[in-house]
Amino acid sequence: EAGVTQFPSHSVIEKGQTVTLRCDPISGHDNLYWYRRVMGKEIKFLLHFVKESKQDESGMPNNRFLAERTGGTYSTLKVQPAELEDSGVYFCASSPGPGTSRYFGPGTRLTVT
Amino acid sequence: DQQVKQNSPSLSVQEGRISILNCDYTNSMFDYFLWYKKYPAEGPTFLISISSIKDKNEDGRFTVFLNKSAKHLSLHIVPSQPGDSAVYFCAASAIGGTSYGKLTFGQGTILTVHP
Repeated sequence: EAGVTQFPSHSVIEKGQTVTLRCDPISGHDNLYWYRRVMGKEIKFLLHFVKESKQDESGMPNNRFLAERTGGTYSTLKVQPAELEDSGVYFCASSPGPGTSRYFGPGTRLTVT
Repeated sequence: DQQVKQNSPSLSVQEGRISILNCDYTNSMFDYFLWYKKYPAEGPTFLISISSIKDKNEDGRFTVFLNKSAKHLSLHIVPSQPGDSAVYFCAASAIGGTSYGKLTFGQGTILTVHP
């Protein structure tokens, strides 16, 4: 069974540009989560999808971040325009249900210069 | 406001000995706790979890202890192996709350097991 995959693995962009990160969850997992780890600190929750619906987006830092999950399958996280403080590793995770363990992808390392 | 804290940034242990990683939390609504292990350039990997109705859960070399009155949990690894060297994250969630899908993580503890 394929795990959670994320693309790209690494992205370097300039301040003010737009970047879109993609996550493909484990097949059949209705729950999809985005997290971010900045500067080696704790991993912070961004949002939670149940199928195509946003269940909880309380962790989204501001309106420069837009997450979508088309058809309840893969998800994208767009940052527009990117700022320096957006640099970090963005993790996607999926799970069959909210009370079960999350399976994390390898992350996308975003560097904003 | 750090609701989950791992106060030891690093821990060094000899192979074969016990590793004890600690975690404290402040939110009394948390009712489900997890430990994740993370290698460089990889995502966190689930290790073990415990519900607030239990005080101990064991899986092979890994045991998690929960002390609800102290709002403290710990992960014991016995015996420790060099392959256990990684960053360990404690995480908590409030299954019964409105943000039931959200995991709140600690800052992580770097475990190094020396041969």
